[in-house]
Amino acid sequence: SAVISQKPSRDICQRGTSLTIQCQVDSQVTMMFWYRQQPGQSLTLIATANQGSEATYESGFVIDKFPISRPNLTFSTLTVSNMSPEDSSIYLCSAGQGGTNEKLFFGSGTQLSVL
Amino acid sequence: GEDVEQSLFLSVREGDSSVINCTYTDSSSTYLYWYKQEPGAGLQLLTYIFSNMDMKQDQRLTVLLNKKDKHLSLRIADTQTGDSAIYFCAESIGKLIFGQGTTLQVKP
Repeated sequence: SAVISQKPSRDICQRGTSLTIQCQVDSQVTMMFWYRQQPGQSLTLIATANQGSEATYESGFVIDKFPISRPNLTFSTLTVSNMSPEDSSIYLCSAGQGGTNEKLFFGSGTQLSVL
Repeated sequence: GEDVEQSLFLSVREGDSSVINCTYTDSSSTYLYWYKQEPGAGLQLLTYIFSNMDMKQDQRLTVLLNKKDKHLSLRIADTQTGDSAIYFCAESIGKLIFGQGTTLQVKP
């Protein structure tokens, strides 16, 4: 199984600022995924990040708000831009076993609170 | 459409069996998954079943899949207090679609 390290584990931010979340995988993976888990809710896929191409965003999520980088096969970042209290959530990074989108393993998440 | 539903809460006594149920709508799912989330932690992949199987057993965990009714269940035998967590089922249709999670409370 892949080991996924995510940081920061939590942060409290001011409205209007941006936060970049980092995700490191201990093996090379083709696809990495960013999810959001709003308080008391299930997980919603934000985007799929492939190395060497632009991220693919799900309906309701846009690049200007959630820019993603994928500089190599083991690392990705998600930025939450121009934050508002509605962005307070847990953000989770994940990657698939064998570089697929199956059997996803997750990082421990970033608990974001926006004041 | 993409929709995965679970009951929100289950309470059992330590030592009893727990059964968590899930229904999904997309018949093209390849794999179906059960994840566990403990407080303040990310998601842990517990087990999964390929869509052409109807049962999978892994130690205390038994997954049953009724593809005709699009119903998935997770049975935890001899439930322990350490099993208290939120359990998410998910279907794979090119991406993972998660249910809203079932909170399992285990009473001593």
